[in-house]
Amino acid sequence: NAGVTQTPKFQVLKTGQSMTLQCAQDMNHEYMSWYRQDPGMGLRLIHYSVGAGITDQGEVPNGYNVSRSTTEDFPLRLLSAAPSQTSVYFCASRPSQGGGEKLFFGSGTQLSVL
Amino acid sequence: GDSVTQMEGPVTLSEEAFLTINCTYTATGYPSLFWYVQYPGEGLQLLLKATKADDKGSNKGFEATYRKETTSFHLEKGSVQVSDSAVYFCALTRLSGTYKYIFGTGTRLKVLA
Repeated sequence: NAGVTQTPKFQVLKTGQSMTLQCAQDMNHEYMSWYRQDPGMGLRLIHYSVGAGITDQGEVPNGYNVSRSTTEDFPLRLLSAAPSQTSVYFCASRPSQGGGEKLFFGSGTQLSVL
Repeated sequence: GDSVTQMEGPVTLSEEAFLTINCTYTATGYPSLFWYVQYPGEGLQLLLKATKADDKGSNKGFEATYRKETTSFHLEKGSVQVSDSAVYFCALTRLSGTYKYIFGTGTRLKVLA
């Protein structure tokens, strides 16, 4: 079982460049989310989605865009990267109903913005 | 709003020592409480959970009890191993509404042989 798959695992960008972090899950989960992990700050929610066509902002949404055209995919877009976006990014999913409240995490994307 | 506070790390212990990592929360009503563990280079994975007051979650020798009166969910293990070295996150969520999770800042545990 693949679970939650994130690509790429590592990425280096220059300030102002754009890129998309990919996230896909094969568990038919309605809920998907993006977190960033920074030292001393734990995990902070960027954006989340409760189903295809539905997205909402989390705690730190500025500088990031998302869309949810299918149940499986939830890409995170950085339109103009900034050094403050250097972080480790995690995608996570869970079923909206049933299956308990367990979050399934991807293995992360380490992003450096120079 | 809801929040989770964890003890700061790092915590360094010798093998077979007793472990406690403190976690307290602020929330209205009755959230569900969790401990997640992150091994080096990996994503988080669920360690244990409790969904109502006085519930005890347990897994792999770790335990935590949902204490409503002290708003706490401390993680304990009687005898740690080197393989337990990881970062531990306390978290809460609600079973309805927006499904948002609130995570603590994480506590790094290092166990020495």
